[in-house]
Amino acid sequence: AQKVTQAQTEISVVEKEDVTLDCVYETRDTTYYLFWYKQPPSGELVFLIRRNSFDEQNEISGRYSWNFQKSTSSFNFTITASQVVDSAVYFCALRWGSARQLTFGSGTQLTVLP
Amino acid sequence: DGGITQSPKYLFRKEGQNVTLSCEQNLNHDAMYWYRQDPGQGLRLIYYSQIVNDFQKGDIAEGYSVSREKKESFPLTVTSAQKNPTAFYLCASNHQGANTEAFFGQGTRLTVV
Repeated sequence: AQKVTQAQTEISVVEKEDVTLDCVYETRDTTYYLFWYKQPPSGELVFLIRRNSFDEQNEISGRYSWNFQKSTSSFNFTITASQVVDSAVYFCALRWGSARQLTFGSGTQLTVLP
Repeated sequence: DGGITQSPKYLFRKEGQNVTLSCEQNLNHDAMYWYRQDPGQGLRLIYYSQIVNDFQKGDIAEGYSVSREKKESFPLTVTSAQKNPTAFYLCASNHQGANTEAFFGQGTRLTVV
């Protein structure tokens, strides 16, 4: 079965704090792809990052960083020095093997307070 | 600018009515998708299409129908058979290939009145 779990439903932090959003996935396929999307209040999902199952290198993009660990089936997302504009719902998603559609986690609502 | 356009942004439906949600893309993507989002939940796949004149059911296709007569367009009809249609609907598209990211429209919020 293919599944994505985001156990944190809601997180609140104060501006400038670091925050990590957890993502755990399940798949039997050896080839798969993991994604993070941001959904601001406007509703549109904004693509943040893609990682394939053969590339376990962590990635940093500005204040964003991602930690991919196959041993624990996790693909966690850290925002450093959070800002109010980071407030949104964040989704982790999985695409496996030859499938075309994405399987989404239930999302984490992040609120950054000024 | 290239992108995905969904219309309308808000839609109200009376009980027993069919309504059609529009999705147009000018990204020259082959694959298009419809997802449903309920409060506090992730996105669930309704239908998807990889080429013109072909589409497949997703996880929650009952009560919905689609067509793909043009590469750019993938309209979704919510029929009266859908018992709980109030939700946020998102259309997406991507190039063929499992490693490509999907691009999303701004969504249509459907409410049954």
